[in-house]
Amino acid sequence: SSELTQDPAVSVALGQTVRIICQGDSLSTYFASWHRQKPRQAPVLVIYGQNNRPSGIPDRFSGSTSGNTASLTITGAQAEDEGDYYCTSRDNSGDHVLFGGGTKLTV
Amino acid sequence: EVQLVQSGAEVKKPGESLKISCKNSGYKFTGYWIAWVRQMPGKGLEWMGIIYPGDSDTRYNPSFQGRVTISADPSTSTAFLQWSSLEASDTAIYFCARQFLTVPTAFDYWGQGTQVTVSS
Repeated sequence: SSELTQDPAVSVALGQTVRIICQGDSLSTYFASWHRQKPRQAPVLVIYGQNNRPSGIPDRFSGSTSGNTASLTITGAQAEDEGDYYCTSRDNSGDHVLFGGGTKLTV
Repeated sequence: EVQLVQSGAEVKKPGESLKISCKNSGYKFTGYWIAWVRQMPGKGLEWMGIIYPGDSDTRYNPSFQGRVTISADPSTSTAFLQWSSLEASDTAIYFCARQFLTVPTAFDYWGQGTQVTVSS
């Protein structure tokens, strides 16, 4: 079955650039979206449709895809960017949504 | 203002039934898909399924098919997730989320989550 794989944890120094990756066969067909979840809160959408930011998300967040790997890049990470980041995509059938396992970002 | 407001925490015994709700406001409920997402203790997010309240078209993650039922009531702009027989492994936080109109993998508004605890 389809799945999306993420590194469990990533750390970055304040103000530096960090890339969070997501791998899966379906990413060669479907764009990824990215959601961030802070402890005891509901997730928040940060990137959708490859590289679009919802209103209120800073422009230091960007997304890209190469082959079966999607990336979320934060250029100039801030303390408030800490949290768990989840990629989403469709499965190979196109009928269902997959979540990656999540990456815990520490700034 | 778009809002998804979920019902309160539940404590149930194994074998009991349960129906939790997600009340939507601030937009046309029948024009967007609503998903349910599970988060087990200390774990990641899992997509359970989705419903289009406009015509009740429903899709399930195969891992949850037959275990839960997703429904919606357009007259009250409310989506539901229900179980007929709970198990201890159903203990989790359940979120409802509105699917972004043009991007099926993005969820732009979320409920606050409903904690479900199943214990004898």
